[in-house]
This record gives sequence, structure tokens and C-alpha cells, in this order.
Amino acid sequence: SQQGEEDPQALSIQEGENATMNCSYKTSINNLQWYRQNSGRGLVHLILIRSNEREKHSGRLRVTLDTSKKSSSLLITASRAADTASYFCATAGFNKFYFGSGTKLNVKP
Amino acid sequence: DADVTQTPRNRITKTGKRIMLECSQTKGHDRMYWYRQDPGLGLRLIYYSFDVKDINKGEISDGYSVSRQAQAKFSLSLESAIPNQTALYFCATSGTIAGVSYNEQFFGPGTRLTVL
Repeated sequence: SQQGEEDPQALSIQEGENATMNCSYKTSINNLQWYRQNSGRGLVHLILIRSNEREKHSGRLRVTLDTSKKSSSLLITASRAADTASYFCATAGFNKFYFGSGTKLNVKP
Repeated sequence: DADVTQTPRNRITKTGKRIMLECSQTKGHDRMYWYRQDPGLGLRLIYYSFDVKDINKGEISDGYSVSRQAQAKFSLSLESAIPNQTALYFCATSGTIAGVSYNEQFFGPGTRLTVL
């Protein structure tokens, strides 16, 4: 069974708005990663946050991690039409990765 | 050139046929993975390999087998394909530094497999 679950399953916003998606997981982790997938293509790594970190930034991306609640959030600021994609969280435990079912983000121009 | 390549990119086959999907990487990574993706279910791990002599089952290995022919090559086989193996299949790699995994995975473009 999958460990990470994203919420919401789908999100539609206007260009320039911020997009927030959440990930919940079940067991202890070494780190949590976020990936982006454009339709039908391979996943691309966006950002990794370690279990001892609480927040991390990369360009327009901001990731938070709350290990007490077993949850993470990905914020994309000032969204662009090119951000339209599916976003997945992946939890890394002992040598294994578990991907959630993803959030499908649509950014309207 | 792509760092992780998969062949074929698309394949349509019939129930009962044996199918092999191939993955090659030029990243020099020792760790390789096979996943399948079904609509609404995210990615599920089929098999993974940490080096040529190390093969491990993932979440959904039944009906699949793998071969790590070299550090750069990892093949997935469906011995007798069935319709519910219709899915998008991804190969991925990750590396280590001084034996410590840095976990980021690099994905191939995927193989779309249809079993009729």
C-alpha cells in the first residue's frame, strides 16, 4: 500500500496565484521528496527535505515538513501556466520509496 | 542525450506473450528501480537493485522478473502478460556518495504497455 497521500487530488488556479498541496504519510521517514510529472512523462525531482528539517526553499517552491503530524506541504508561489503538471510526494524509508497518488495542478493563463 | 533511456516507448501485446522492457543509464548510478503507474494510483515499486548482484522485490513483484545485466542496464520482464499489467512503466536510478544514498531519483521517459 502507498505511504504518501496527496491532497487535494486536483487543483485549478489562475496564473499568478499560489498553489498549495499537502502530503500525509504513515510511518517514520528518512526524507520526503516532491516530484513533478508533465502529462505522460517521467517524474522530475523538485526538492528534498530531510526528517530533521522543517522548511526548505528552492526558487518559487517552499516545502514544509511536520514529522509529528506526518505531513508535508508544497507551496508554489506566483504560479505560471508552465507549472501545470501532476505533483507527487515520495517518502524515503530504509532503501525504499513510496509515492503518493499525486495532485493534478492546472494553472489557467 | 538522455541520462536514463527506456525501450520500447510504446508496446501493444497480447495476453500470454513474454515482454521485456529495457532500461539503460549513463549517470553512473548503482541503484536502479522499476515502477508502474496506473491512473489515480501513483507509482508502485516493482523491483529494485542496488548493484549488479543485488535484486530486491518491491511492492508488486508478482508476475514480473528483472535482470541487472550490468551497472548501467536493468531489464523488466513480464513472463506471461495479462491485461491488468497494462500501465505506464518507469525506470529510475539513484546514486550514492561514499556509500551514502542521496536519494534523489532520476526517471526515464516511460514505456506505455498495453496488453490486449
